[in-house]
Amino acid sequence: ETGVTQSPTHLIKTRGQQVTLRCSSQSGHNTVSWYQQALGQGPQFIFQYYREEENGRGNFPPRFSGLQFPNYSSELNVNALELDDSALYLCASSLARSGGAGETQYFGPGTRLLVL
Amino acid sequence: AQTVTQSQPEMSVQEAETVTLSCTYDTSESDYYLFWYKQPPSRQMILVIRQEAYKQQNATENRFSVNFQKAAKSFSLKISDSQLGDAAMYFCAYPLYGNQFYFGTGTSLTVIP
Repeated sequence: ETGVTQSPTHLIKTRGQQVTLRCSSQSGHNTVSWYQQALGQGPQFIFQYYREEENGRGNFPPRFSGLQFPNYSSELNVNALELDDSALYLCASSLARSGGAGETQYFGPGTRLLVL
Repeated sequence: AQTVTQSQPEMSVQEAETVTLSCTYDTSESDYYLFWYKQPPSRQMILVIRQEAYKQQNATENRFSVNFQKAAKSFSLKISDSQLGDAAMYFCAYPLYGNQFYFGTGTSLTVIP
């Protein structure tokens, strides 16, 4: 069974640029969630995709957008980067059976983004 | 509003001893799940334990167990026979509908040899 993978592991960008982060879900999982984890904080929910459709969004501006592909891999795109976007971005996959809450999420190792 | 609170930013324990990490949460739901995740310096979040609220029995996974007090909305994690590899950040998490996880601010656990 293949676990959740993310790329790249580290990234440095400058303010105003755009970035794309990638995630490959665990085999058989149909749901992917993205989280932002600032230094010393718990992860904050950005959004979730279920079968290629957005299935919930946290308190993040529209410049944070995402995609989920038919093979259930996913992208997180951030436009017009700001200094406060510097964080660890975590992707998590799960197998949603009924749309309810409670399925275990399996996390990738994260992408560390630094915005200068 | 649903919130998760971890009131212990840092904890330490002697190797082989027992430590309890606290978590309280707020919800208006009656049926839900709660999770503890561990995040070692490698950054990858690892599931420690999962509790279903409708089950009266506290969840147990080897040396890890929970004390789930539904009325008090308390969900503490007990680590028995602590090992050096247990050193990590521990996060309590509550999933809303659609499996959107809300995490606490974490407890940094140090294991002293």
